[in-house]
Amino acid sequence: GAGVSQSPRYKVAKRGRDVALRCDSISGHVTLYWYRQTLGQGSEVLTYSQSDAQRDKSGRPSGRFSAERPERSVSTLKIQRTEQGDSAVYLCASSTTGGTSKNIQYFGAGTRLSVL
Amino acid sequence: GQQLNQSPQSMFIQEGEDVSMNCTSSSIFNTWLWYKQDPGEGPVLLIALYKAGELTSNGRLTAQFGITRKDSFLNISASIPSDVGIYFCAGPATDSWGKLQFGAGTQVVVTP
Repeated sequence: GAGVSQSPRYKVAKRGRDVALRCDSISGHVTLYWYRQTLGQGSEVLTYSQSDAQRDKSGRPSGRFSAERPERSVSTLKIQRTEQGDSAVYLCASSTTGGTSKNIQYFGAGTRLSVL
Repeated sequence: GQQLNQSPQSMFIQEGEDVSMNCTSSSIFNTWLWYKQDPGEGPVLLIALYKAGELTSNGRLTAQFGITRKDSFLNISASIPSDVGIYFCAGPATDSWGKLQFGAGTQVVVTP
């Protein structure tokens, strides 16, 4: 079946503009996660949500990051007032459960964001 | 918070050689995961470890969950060109909902 799908694959934004990145998760998966991946630093979680509720609004370095879940298997990551430091690959992952017990996360291919 | 230290940062090896990489943490993890990421793709799970001391194989890959719960190793035997990529260790944070902490990655380059 279909895996986790992210769009767009590439996004260029002018500094200060808001951007929205979309994730279509695997049908039936409960928890959605957004990670930011930068070269040489690995990945850090930005936000995550279970079912229809956004679980964690906080993001780094400030509250400019938020996720909405308009449908059970769709999540939109919104970045407000983009900064050049936001340039990174944004990965979406979904899992059948939340929690730490055998929680296997499946990742999308990512959206590469470049802020100019 | 929990931090994962992964080494080496990169490896350049010849086809047929074995590869070894490891991850250490200052705090305990109850699960260790190893992912591989190809260019332009997302991480793909290779091996999941759930018990201290556990040794698990997946084809030419072998991973171990350290007995102290603070480390894990991944070995690749008889490397082939398609082993090229970045390998990440990861583990769930101790809070709920299983947010993953990732190591910085080991880039593997295999030359013929």
